Parts: sequence; structure tokens; C-alpha cells
Amino acid sequence: DQQVKQNSPSLSVQEGRISILNCDYTNSMFDYFLWYKKYPAEGPTFLISISSIKDKNEDGRFTVFLNKSAKHLSLHIVPSQPGDSAVYFCAATKGAQKLVFGQGTRLTINP
Amino acid sequence: DVKVTQSSRYLVKRTGEKVFLECVQDMDHENMFWYRQDPGLGLRLIYFSYDVKMKEKGDIPEGYSVSREKKERFSLILESASTNQTSMYLCASSLGGSGGAYEQYFGPGTRLTVT
Repeated sequence: DQQVKQNSPSLSVQEGRISILNCDYTNSMFDYFLWYKKYPAEGPTFLISISSIKDKNEDGRFTVFLNKSAKHLSLHIVPSQPGDSAVYFCAATKGAQKLVFGQGTRLTINP
Repeated sequence: DVKVTQSSRYLVKRTGEKVFLECVQDMDHENMFWYRQDPGLGLRLIYFSYDVKMKEKGDIPEGYSVSREKKERFSLILESASTNQTSMYLCASSLGGSGGAYEQYFGPGTRLTVT
């Protein structure tokens, strides 16, 4: 069963606008969430994370929002840049070091 | 910077061959992981290890085994390669311990094709 879901396989955004990537989870025991970015032919790189005791975490152009009641998190990128074009994975864990990943969303930033 | 290296970027093997994928990390991390990435399925955990000589099954361990004889090295073994094991294989490591530090650091991946 898919405990972490990214329901949008792809997203296309104009350069300079906001990109919003979404992720839903089913396991209420998850207590830490992460976003990874992956370019073709490279391994994923860690982007930003959030603990379940917070509802927002910001790092430069990237902000992650967590809505525990809806079991939903989102990644906002503003302003979007061409170099942000990549596949984005959300991941979750319940304190056991093992991460559960979503299917990924391919983000394309158009000039 | 954490560096995770994988022995090959691209590999082509025949059905039935035994395949070894090697992963080395240089940051003294406790935890190491093997995933495979397939389109539409995301990253799926094959095996992981919390310590030397220790291994635990992930979500899709069938057809695979692992070895961790040294802390920095984690090997994935395909006992008898099959075409459905054609995939991108990713190794990762994380600090471990009781203080959290859940971020995993990934190698560049090995694109394995089984013909």
C-alpha cells in the first residue's frame, strides 16, 4: 500500500512564478518529512525537511508546509527558476531512520 | 561534504548472471540503504543496514541480498539477474544514532540493464 502519494506526475510552471508540489500520506505516525530533488542521471539531493511539531519551514526560495489534520504537505518554490526543473520526491519517516518515498513529480520551468 | 560513490554508472548483464553493485560512503555514517527507482513507482527500499554485518529487508527484497563487512561499504547482490531487475539502483547513507538526522545522502546511481 502506498503510504506516501504524489498524485501529480508532472507540473509545468512559468519562470518567476510559484511552483507548488503536493504530497499526501496515510500513516499518522509519520513524524518527519523531507523533500528531495533529482536531476536525470544523478542521485536525489536533500532539499528541505519539516518535523511534525511544526507547520512550516523555510529555506531561501523553498518553503514546506505541513497540514497534519489533512495528512498533506506541500513544497513551495518562489520564484521558480529554470534550474529548478527536476523530479521532486517527498519522503516520510516515523522515527526509524527508514524513509518512505512518494512516486515523484516532474517539475518543468518554462522560460 | 558527504560523498557516496557507486562502482558503476552503467551496467549491462545477461539473465542468470550474478551481479554485484558496490557502494562506499566516506562520512562514517551508521546507516546505509539500497533503493531501486522505476518510473511511476518512486524509490523503493530493497535492503538497509544499521551497522556492520547487520541487514534488514526493505519493501522489495526478493531476488536480492546484501553484504556489509565494513562500515563504509554496502554491497547489493543480484543472485540470478532477471529482466524485471532492469532499473536504476541508488545507494544512500545517513548519520543514524538517536538524535534524528534522518537526511539520507545518495550516490549517483547505477543504471542496470538485464538482457
